[in-house]
Amino acid sequence: AQKVTQAQTEISVVEKEDVTLDCVYETRDTTYYLFWYKQPPSGELVFLIRRNSFDEQNEISGRYSWNFQKSTSSFNFTITASQVVDSAVYFCALSEVYSSYKLIFGSGTRLLVRP
Amino acid sequence: DAGVIQSPRHEVTEMGQEVTLRCKPISGHDYLFWYRQTMMRGLELLIYFNNNVPIDDSGMPEDRFSAKMPNASFSTLKIQPSEPRDSAVYFCASTTLNGGELFFGEGSRLTVL
Repeated sequence: AQKVTQAQTEISVVEKEDVTLDCVYETRDTTYYLFWYKQPPSGELVFLIRRNSFDEQNEISGRYSWNFQKSTSSFNFTITASQVVDSAVYFCALSEVYSSYKLIFGSGTRLLVRP
Repeated sequence: DAGVIQSPRHEVTEMGQEVTLRCKPISGHDYLFWYRQTMMRGLELLIYFNNNVPIDDSGMPEDRFSAKMPNASFSTLKIQPSEPRDSAVYFCASTTLNGGELFFGEGSRLTVL
């Protein structure tokens, strides 16, 4: 069965600090997708990234970077030089492509960036 | 292009009343999902459709909940009768590719008194 674990419930950092949000997943499938979504205080869910299980290359997008390691079933998200606007709840999610197309979310990590 | 449109944005009702939440997916998307978000249970998938056909409704909490998709541009989630524990934010999302990014609506915040 699919499962996504975000062990960090809440993280508080001071602006300009780097912060890493952890995500560990479980799946029996060999083909799957991993996602990160951001939910700012306004409540909408904003897509950040999708990664398929065959692509273990790390990805960088501005201040955001993602580290995908199949060996440890982890898909961690790092924000470099955090800003107050990064304050939000961040969700990691998993979709098994062939057994069932469902996006299963972790419980989320609340990030508070203090000025 | 318009995103996923949900209505109402906010609904306050009394226990026992029927509640209908509506969703218009992005045109051309053939997958539609209903999620529920609560503090206790996080984001839960309730049901999803492919080409208007329900594929998996195993997340629907009980018979009080029902969902329909009469055509490619409209879906409803109905709760009858509603209970206080149904209070949550209900999200609708759509996508066009298997494994693709889900596009979420802004959510419908339901409060059952």
